[in-house]
Amino acid sequence: GQQLNQSPQSMFIQEGEDVSMNCTSSSIFNTWLWYKQDPGEGPVLLIALYKAGELTSNGRLTAQFGITRKDSFLNISASIPSDVGIYFCAGQLIVSGNTGKLIFGQGTTLQVKP
Amino acid sequence: DTEVTQTPKHLVMGMTNKKSLKCEQHMGHRAMYWYKQKAKKPPELMFVYSYEKLSINESVPSRFSPECPNSSLLNLHLHALQPEDSALYLCASSPRYSGGLGAGANVLTFGAGSRLTVL
Repeated sequence: GQQLNQSPQSMFIQEGEDVSMNCTSSSIFNTWLWYKQDPGEGPVLLIALYKAGELTSNGRLTAQFGITRKDSFLNISASIPSDVGIYFCAGQLIVSGNTGKLIFGQGTTLQVKP
Repeated sequence: DTEVTQTPKHLVMGMTNKKSLKCEQHMGHRAMYWYKQKAKKPPELMFVYSYEKLSINESVPSRFSPECPNSSLLNLHLHALQPEDSALYLCASSPRYSGGLGAGANVLTFGAGSRLTVL
């Protein structure tokens, strides 16, 4: 089936550092979403992207929809301890007969050392 | 109101029990979803309801039975579960469910989940 390759799988960084993670695929997407999930909670939407090349910010978070429509990245600037969690990308494919099902990446686990 | 509310937060059940998970949203969304999530893994789609009709069943075993009584409510009935069914069950909703629609149609809002343990 369709896959999203999300990397890195995990990151352990110092507070104040910038973070970058990305998702790539061999397929073309018409929507990219970035979610954060805290332990024991459901995923929370961080940023939604709808157009190729779109660059969107949400506070210290910035995400971009790749020009080729096959990738997206998420950057977090000046990380703080509450950034700890699992970050998931999700995309909606552009395919014939597409039913709107979202494909999720495998997640990036972020740990921040104070 | 921009929330999806799930109850119970935690559920422990034996393999012979019958229990239900409940989900409610009042955002006017017409698509509702059940996902299953194992630790440190992405959510796995189980069912999709669109306009209160079952649109997608991802080959889920019949011991899981979904129900959508109205556009705001979604239930998941559980019977004769196995220990490997222990997981976080997430409900989600979106404005609509279909390919090729306008931006945001399929953006999911998740509930906090129901942590299920099957003994």
